[in-house]
Amino acid sequence: GESVGLHLPTLSVQEGDNSIINCAYSNSASDYFIWYKQESGKGPQFIIDIRSNMDKRQGQRVTVLLNKTVKHLSLQIAATQPGDSAVYFCAEKRSGGSNYKLTFGKGTLLTVNP
Amino acid sequence: KAGVTQTPRYLIKTRGQQVTLSCSPISGHRSVSWYQQTPGQGLQFLFEYFSETQRNKGNFPGRFSGRQFSNSRSEMNVSTLELGDSALYLCASKLLESRMGETQYFGPGTRLLVL
Repeated sequence: GESVGLHLPTLSVQEGDNSIINCAYSNSASDYFIWYKQESGKGPQFIIDIRSNMDKRQGQRVTVLLNKTVKHLSLQIAATQPGDSAVYFCAEKRSGGSNYKLTFGKGTLLTVNP
Repeated sequence: KAGVTQTPRYLIKTRGQQVTLSCSPISGHRSVSWYQQTPGQGLQFLFEYFSETQRNKGNFPGRFSGRQFSNSRSEMNVSTLELGDSALYLCASKLLESRMGETQYFGPGTRLLVL
């Protein structure tokens, strides 16, 4: 398959462990944050999002934490499975009607070892 | 429901040429956005189209342009190709224009190599 992350931070975990992927964002005016998963040869896939008026949001096996004080976002994956192996991106969005700006992080390559 | 489709999947061009990429959004989706993905810069927003009008634009030179048709299909064009334009070009669609909390769905991308 294709590799789109030749210069990415990497995280390697054992199957069944919990994974934590971190992301620092730059703009305190960002009001919406999204995590995407990108498997080799595919486009990014939405995982979970969070608005800036929240500090935690949970999905199925995933939790996103937002710390606006230090402008930090994390994605926690519980009981990581081999199918979770992918590149994970965070994205920040600043609203403003149609003139929003969506900025993506460089991504983290997660490898799950069986 | 079929997902976002992009054609071609792979393309090789030489410097100075121009290229047109095509994107068909999910049926019923009216917003189409384009992104460039490279190992060095990651995912970067190019532009968004809604109802045949460009609604938002990223920081790319004028060589990068696009359009949207009445059936919501979109094309992007890159003229006078440079080596640095080699990238994966991704298209994403969503139902409406630029709303928070609305999920956008990505296509598999077109891999462009400029020689």
